Amino acid sequence: EDKVVQSPLSLVVHEGDTVTLNCSYEVTNFRSLLWYKQEKKAPTFLFMLTSSGIEKKSGRLSSILDKKELFSILNITATQTGDSAVYLCAARRGSGTYKYIFGTGTRLKVLA
Amino acid sequence: AAGVIQSPRHLIKEKRETATLKCYPIPRHDTVYWYQQGPGQDPQFLISFYEKMQSDKGSIPDRFSAQQFSDYHSELNMSSLELGDSALYFCASSPQSLLSSYNSPLHFGNGTRLTVT
Repeated sequence: EDKVVQSPLSLVVHEGDTVTLNCSYEVTNFRSLLWYKQEKKAPTFLFMLTSSGIEKKSGRLSSILDKKELFSILNITATQTGDSAVYLCAARRGSGTYKYIFGTGTRLKVLA
Repeated sequence: AAGVIQSPRHLIKEKRETATLKCYPIPRHDTVYWYQQGPGQDPQFLISFYEKMQSDKGSIPDRFSAQQFSDYHSELNMSSLELGDSALYFCASSPQSLLSSYNSPLHFGNGTRLTVT
C-alpha cells in the first residue's frame, strides 16, 4: 500500500532557529515529491522535486530528494513566526491519472 | 493568476440533508481532484476526473458522487449527511498532458468548510 510518512508530527522552535522536516515515501511508480505549506486555508505549493540530489531553494526554504533512500527533507533557516503552519508532503504516483498521496503533515510553531 | 475556485466557502447542513460543492479549476487544467480533510488530518483523496471521466477513486463514501462537466468544473454531491462528514473539502486541479503536468504541481482551492449539525 502506498504511504507517505512525515516526521516529526509537531515541532516548536524559537525565531531564528533552523528546522528540518522529514518525509519518507513508499509509492508505486513514483514520479515526484511535493511540499506544501498549509496555514488556515488551502495548501500552498512550495516545491516539486523529481530528481535526486538536486536542491531547490526559495528564500529561507530549501528541499532535496533522495530517490534511493526514498525520502525528502525540507529545511527552513532563520525561522520566523510567519513560518508557523502545517507542512505537507505529497508523493505523486504516475501511470494513468497522476495520484497524490499526502503525509499527515508536520505542525511547526515558531515562537517569537 | 487565476486559481482554483470553490464554492461555497462555508456550508452548514443538518444530518440526512444533501450538499453540493462546486469547483472551478484553473483554466486549461483538465484534471480535478477532490480531497477531504478532517481537523488535524492530512487530505484524504476522494475522487478525480480527467476529461470529464472519473479517473481514480479513493475513500469516497457511496453516499457521495461527483462529476466533471464540459467546462471542466466539477461538483461533489453529498447525500444523507452524517456528523462525521464535517470537514474541509478541497478541490485541486492540474493539467494532465505529460509534458505540462511533469512540471506542474497540484493547485488547491481554498476549500469548502462543511459543518453537519
